[in-house]
Amino acid sequence: AQTVTQSQPEMSVQEAETVTLSCTYDTSESNYYLFWYKQPPSRQMILVIRQEAYKQQNATENRFSVNFQKAAKSFSLKISDSQLGDTAMYFCAFRGPRSGGGADGLTFGKGTHLIIQP
Amino acid sequence: GAVVSQHPSRVICKSGTSVKIECRSLDFQATTMFWYRQFPKQSLMLMATSNEGSKATYEQGVEKDKFLINHASLTLSTLTVTSAHPEDSSFYICSARDELSGNTIYFGEGSWLTVV
Repeated sequence: AQTVTQSQPEMSVQEAETVTLSCTYDTSESNYYLFWYKQPPSRQMILVIRQEAYKQQNATENRFSVNFQKAAKSFSLKISDSQLGDTAMYFCAFRGPRSGGGADGLTFGKGTHLIIQP
Repeated sequence: GAVVSQHPSRVICKSGTSVKIECRSLDFQATTMFWYRQFPKQSLMLMATSNEGSKATYEQGVEKDKFLINHASLTLSTLTVTSAHPEDSSFYICSARDELSGNTIYFGEGSWLTVV
């Protein structure tokens, strides 16, 4: 079974700073997808960024970018120019051909609570 | 963008009763939907994959007879918690896969279930 590990339960940075959230995963698959989701207090899951494993280029979405190291099975999220609205739980997620035994459901890490201080 | 709606957003039920949660894809058809459970301050755990027109696929350790899933149409999946107990109290989230937009996954707003 795939596993996703987020080793930072909580992080706090000042507004406008850059912050990097770490994520590692374990899989025997070669084709898979990785995601970062944001969950604000409303609990709505919001897709931040996605990365296809077959793509070597790191995904970027405005202030959000990833550092995808396939050999190391690492998928970190960098948030540049952090804003107060970025305060939320951030979950790293994996999806493969048979994630968790189901038909490509997501396997989530335990999450990182990111706090942006004014 | 695509929207997935869950109803109800909050529900309180008595122990021993059953409660149904609906998950609808509003502007796309979803042959596959997923149900997750999230305990306070914890991550999302995949409970089952809901397949339109066929039986759901349950994750290991999830009781099929307790968490009944029905996916009778391409836009609706329902999760019924049968004979609810206080330990079933949790946040339940569904997601749906839009196959026409690169298999993008969209999440519902979630449903808080409290069993008293």
